[in-house]
Amino acid sequence: DSGVTQTPKHLITATGQRVTLRCSPRSGDLSVYWYQQSLDQGLQFLIQYYNGEERAKGNILERFSAQQFPDLHSELNLSSLELGDSALYFCASSVAGVGSPLHFGNGTRLTVT
Amino acid sequence: DAKTTQPNSMESNEEEPVHLPCNHSTISGTDYIHWYRQLPSQGPEYVIHGLTSNVNNRMASLAIAEDRKSSTLILHRATLRDAAVYYCILRPRSIQGAQKLVFGQGTRLTINP
Repeated sequence: DSGVTQTPKHLITATGQRVTLRCSPRSGDLSVYWYQQSLDQGLQFLIQYYNGEERAKGNILERFSAQQFPDLHSELNLSSLELGDSALYFCASSVAGVGSPLHFGNGTRLTVT
Repeated sequence: DAKTTQPNSMESNEEEPVHLPCNHSTISGTDYIHWYRQLPSQGPEYVIHGLTSNVNNRMASLAIAEDRKSSTLILHRATLRDAAVYYCILRPRSIQGAQKLVFGQGTRLTINP
């Protein structure tokens, strides 16, 4: 158990809809990262937050947004969903500090029909 | 982001040592070498990381070449539970900055009983 909790585990929704994925980091971890994993693209970095502030942005679509709240949990919002957004979405957390490892949750599987 | 090159797949037998190679000829002096693995239906899991010296932990050993242009992850006695995709990743040294991990395609390790 990594200590990172993601909810829900599974989500099925229709095209055009909006969903919110939630992540609770390990206790004490200030950084949260979001990744997308689809069959043809592998693990793609989306965005990182550190103590409530955005720190790095990757291949995140404009239809997607994220935030980190004062209690350090994070939410990833996906809107105007398309079939191609179907994927596993992973959250990870880490402490501040050089080289500190990332601890991943078990992901949310999103299916867009 | 500096690039790593890994074999697409490797196969080994249970209870034998496994050496997983990684080439990173464009590594910079401040890049850490990280290894993660992803078991089926799970999020990536931290294995080990190092900068210049060889490293050991309860999961594996990391052997880093003297010029740092390559490294080898060593599983001393493989079990069936070690079957996974193994990712070798270069992570820039950054204090409280962007510490994202950029995943490549990794090596799919198969363990034969």
